[in-house]
Amino acid sequence: NAGVMQNPRHLVRRRGQEARLRCSPMKGHSHVYWYRQLPEEGLKFMVYLQKENIIDESGMPKERFSAEFPKEGPSILRIQQVVRGDSAAYFCASSPPILLAGLYHGTDTQYFGPGTRLTVL
Amino acid sequence: AQTVTQSQPEMSVQEAETVTLSCTYDTSESDYYLFWYKQPPSRQMILVIRQEAYKQQNATENRFSVNFQKAAKSFSLKISDSQLGDAAMYFCAYTPLYGGATNKLIFGTGTLLAVQP
Repeated sequence: NAGVMQNPRHLVRRRGQEARLRCSPMKGHSHVYWYRQLPEEGLKFMVYLQKENIIDESGMPKERFSAEFPKEGPSILRIQQVVRGDSAAYFCASSPPILLAGLYHGTDTQYFGPGTRLTVL
Repeated sequence: AQTVTQSQPEMSVQEAETVTLSCTYDTSESDYYLFWYKQPPSRQMILVIRQEAYKQQNATENRFSVNFQKAAKSFSLKISDSQLGDAAMYFCAYTPLYGGATNKLIFGTGTLLAVQP
């Protein structure tokens, strides 16, 4: 069972360009989480998605950032018009589903991908 | 607000010795999970150990064990027989349980562990 896959591993963009980060969860996992790690800091939650649905985006900056997890294909974190302050490591994690009260939710343990290191010049 | 605090930015241990990393958290929830993740220089986040808050018994995984004190909201990690490969940044993390479902992980700022040969 392959782990969580992220690509690219390294991404260099100039200010004003767009960055697209991809995350393929582990097989059987239907919930994806994105975290950002600024230099010398811990991981900060950005967004939590289920297929075709955003569950919690309370950690997402209000502008320029968006995320999706389509029915088919990987989850995408998109950063428009990047600025130097966006330079960071972006981690994706996935968790298997649990059925509670007729709805699927993420379970307790999240498995992380290797991260994408974004550098904005 | 739910917060996780790691008060030791850096720690050092001799190979084969034991070291304890501290973590405290603040929450009003009664059901939650606590985790320790390891981040080596490769930057991959590796799950070391997890603890369910409703369990009084401390979790153990080989050389890694925790001291979970729910009333004190303390969750320390003990590494026994330290090895050079244990050198890494260690993050304590918390996630609340809402009706059995979980959400985001809240991380501490990390403790950088050096292992001296």
